[in-house]
Amino acid sequence: QKEVEQDPGPLSVPEGAIVSLNCTYSNSAFQYFMWYRQYSRKGPELLMYTYSSGNKEDGRFTAQVDKSSKYISLFIRDSQPSDSATYLCAMSERQGAQKLVFGQGTRLTINP
Amino acid sequence: DADVTQTPRNRITKTGKRIMLECSQTKGHDRMYWYRQDPGLGLRLIYYSFDVKDINKGEISDGYSVSRQAQAKFSLSLESAIPNQTALYFCATGAENIQYFGAGTRLSVL
Repeated sequence: QKEVEQDPGPLSVPEGAIVSLNCTYSNSAFQYFMWYRQYSRKGPELLMYTYSSGNKEDGRFTAQVDKSSKYISLFIRDSQPSDSATYLCAMSERQGAQKLVFGQGTRLTINP
Repeated sequence: DADVTQTPRNRITKTGKRIMLECSQTKGHDRMYWYRQDPGLGLRLIYYSFDVKDINKGEISDGYSVSRQAQAKFSLSLESAIPNQTALYFCATGAENIQYFGAGTRLSVL
């Protein structure tokens, strides 16, 4: 079993829809949770960074962490065609962790 | 200019050839990483380095080697390339949990 599981999609939704992307994990020691966005032919770039359980909002994006269920989500409101990308979740046990554990990535397409 | 620069961007090579992928960064971070990305498998860590004298294997280091020539330079070598090393390769640098990635090298081994 992978430490982090993410539905690879692809996921296709109409413009303006609310998008929910999710990851589950098995390591209860994970405390830091990240979402990276990767456009086609580009490297991943950090989108959201959260610590422990709770919600964090940044514009149209909300990251949610439920440590009791070992489940994290990224919500995109009023989705735009420019949000079309692959979204990868990543996790670590501590702030100075040697490495991150990434999910498989979900490919998202927002249709105009 | 990009903070993390990878060369080449694309490479086609033949089975058995030696090939080197290069990475340089201007972020000033000590930590550097090499990943490969395959469809449905996400990012998998090949090697990582926390300073010039520190090299560590990741989860899929077999068939690969690395060299940390300077704080800002970290190269990945395939000593004898094989077709299942066809993938997208990323270099990254970072501090704490935030990593900055290059644009990737698309490698095809025929």
